Amino acid sequence: GQNIDQPTEMTATEGAIVQINCTYQTSGFNGLFWYQQHAGEAPTFLSYNVLDGLEEKGRFSSFLSRSKGYSYLLLKELQMKDSASYLCAVHSKANQAGTALIFGKGTTLSVSS
Amino acid sequence: DVKVTQSSRYLVKRTGEKVFLECVQDMDHENMFWYRQDPGLGLRLIYFSYDVKMKEKGDIPEGYSVSREKKERFSLILESASTNQTSMYLCASSLAQDINEQFFGPGTRLTVL
Repeated sequence: GQNIDQPTEMTATEGAIVQINCTYQTSGFNGLFWYQQHAGEAPTFLSYNVLDGLEEKGRFSSFLSRSKGYSYLLLKELQMKDSASYLCAVHSKANQAGTALIFGKGTTLSVSS
Repeated sequence: DVKVTQSSRYLVKRTGEKVFLECVQDMDHENMFWYRQDPGLGLRLIYFSYDVKMKEKGDIPEGYSVSREKKERFSLILESASTNQTSMYLCASSLAQDINEQFFGPGTRLTVL
């Protein structure tokens, strides 16, 4: 089966750094995505990793190790507006016909002042 | 900017009713997806489509069907709505099979009474 694990909840304070981990076991791997979802809104794209290593984009970075089936999203200089759910998703084989994104259950991050 | 729109933000239906959820994207994307999102369960793939008139089952297709008569439009159909189909329904699209960044619509909160 396909499985993506990430912590359910995390808390942090403004200005801090937080790392959200994601481990996966999937049928094939064509890349890993991180999405941000604020309450009541649609997910929005944050980052994409297909090769091992770190991808940096402003305050957000994402890391991938394909051999370990592991990724993390690093958020620096946390702001209150970063309070949201963060979804890890793997582009993998969905069925005999093709591929789709398989999502983890999401990590709800609460940032306090 | 890619725009994915869904026909309703909120919908209330009765048990046994036939329900249509419409999704339209304006960027000529080949792939379209329907998910439902429930607390503690994350995003689960219902159906997806790679081309007009093509459809593939996702993880939880039971109780649903889909229609893709035009490239820009992907409809989700609940033949006979049940209370356990009360959920947030999210539509997404992506450019092609090997380019899987997905763009999400705003979601439809469906309540079945």
